[in-house]
Amino acid sequence: GQQLNQSPQSMFIQEGEDVSMNCTSSSIFNTWLWYKQDPGEGPVLLIALYKAGELTSNGRLTAQFGITRKDSFLNISASIPSDVGIYFCAGQKNTGTASKLTFGTGTRLQVTL
Amino acid sequence: EAGVAQSPRYKIIEKRQSVAFWCNPISGHATLYWYQQILGQGPKLLIQFQNNGVVDDSQLPKDRFSAERLKGVDSTLKIQPAKLEDSAVYLCASKQTGEKLFFGSGTQLSVL
Repeated sequence: GQQLNQSPQSMFIQEGEDVSMNCTSSSIFNTWLWYKQDPGEGPVLLIALYKAGELTSNGRLTAQFGITRKDSFLNISASIPSDVGIYFCAGQKNTGTASKLTFGTGTRLQVTL
Repeated sequence: EAGVAQSPRYKIIEKRQSVAFWCNPISGHATLYWYQQILGQGPKLLIQFQNNGVVDDSQLPKDRFSAERLKGVDSTLKIQPAKLEDSAVYLCASKQTGEKLFFGSGTQLSVL
């Protein structure tokens, strides 16, 4: 099955720095979502985007739905140690009752003090 | 509010053995999903249930994988027989309406 391409694959940053990651697809999606996964846990939804061009913030997180509907980016400002984890983008296509979610390959974030 | 419960947390089996995973979704959530997450990859959808009916099982390897949700609540996922490449975390998720999926902590399967 298709997986979305995320970059970078991993990042090592210092506490307080800003972070930017993106996600690209060959397919168009109706909705873009960003999840964070901590070790040994399932992914947790951070932000959902519903319209092309939409820019949405959630605290220190900002995400945008690309104009072409084939990409999205996530920014984290002033990173803190608890930002450590794997960030996944996910695209959703609504096909009748099946709203299929396709996940990206993930960006692993490490924050050093 | 209780989250999505999954068991067991870990399972180690030998290839060609059978294994079953259990999921109890959040109360009232009609939609239930099983995902497979191979190390270093994002979750991949195996099957989606709406109440006790299958909505999408297009990516479920039906020769060895089966899943059921008999009363529209709990669900089980079975692998019979297991292969080495089935080693992964199996995540269950549920939702009521909208886009927000709630994931369980997963079952980590190692096939030796």
